[in-house]
Amino acid sequence: SAVISQKPSRDICQRGTSLTIQCQVDSQVTMMFWYRQQPGQSLTLIATANQGSEATYESGFVIDKFPISRPNLTFSTLTVSNMSPEDSSIYLCSVDWENTGELFFGEGSRLTVL
Amino acid sequence: QQQVKQSPQSLIVQKGGISIINCAYENTAFDYFPWYQQFPGKGPALLIAIRPDVSEKKEGRFTISFNKSAKQFSLHIMDSQPGDSATYFCAASRLTNDYKLSFGAGTTVTVRA
Repeated sequence: SAVISQKPSRDICQRGTSLTIQCQVDSQVTMMFWYRQQPGQSLTLIATANQGSEATYESGFVIDKFPISRPNLTFSTLTVSNMSPEDSSIYLCSVDWENTGELFFGEGSRLTVL
Repeated sequence: QQQVKQSPQSLIVQKGGISIINCAYENTAFDYFPWYQQFPGKGPALLIAIRPDVSEKKEGRFTISFNKSAKQFSLHIMDSQPGDSATYFCAASRLTNDYKLSFGAGTTVTVRA
């Protein structure tokens, strides 16, 4: 399976600031996704990160709030903009392994907004 | 609208016992049903998965049972061990489309020694 590295692993941020989370994969992957897991909750898909084009966002998530970049097949970033305490969550990068539909997840980036 | 419903929310089982978690879905276009295991502070790890052309899949102490007509599937953890204490998520996706996973709400399993 792919090795997925996320940075930062955790951070504490002030209201109104923005934070960029990085996801690096050790091999080229076609499909890459960003999920959010609020405290004690399940995982919710934010968007599909498309290589070389704009990300595809799920209902309830917008590009202005969660801009995503995917410059190549091994790397993506998610920015959480103008943060509020409601954005305190774990943000997870996920990749499809060899186009099998088996999704593997990074360890997550735990974000606390004060 | 939650596309995959999971129960129970939590369960406690004695060491050596059987843990059973149930999930139900509505979208008949789903064709891939994985289970993930998540420990505190870690990302979800793929545990076992099934496709609708089989009714059961077993890997070690973990078994998925799948009932296509009822649109239900379940995870059985046999001979539960304290190391199995974790949160388990069922999920569903469409391999023929976009691979996007819809997750259940999660079940916290506690195995008592």
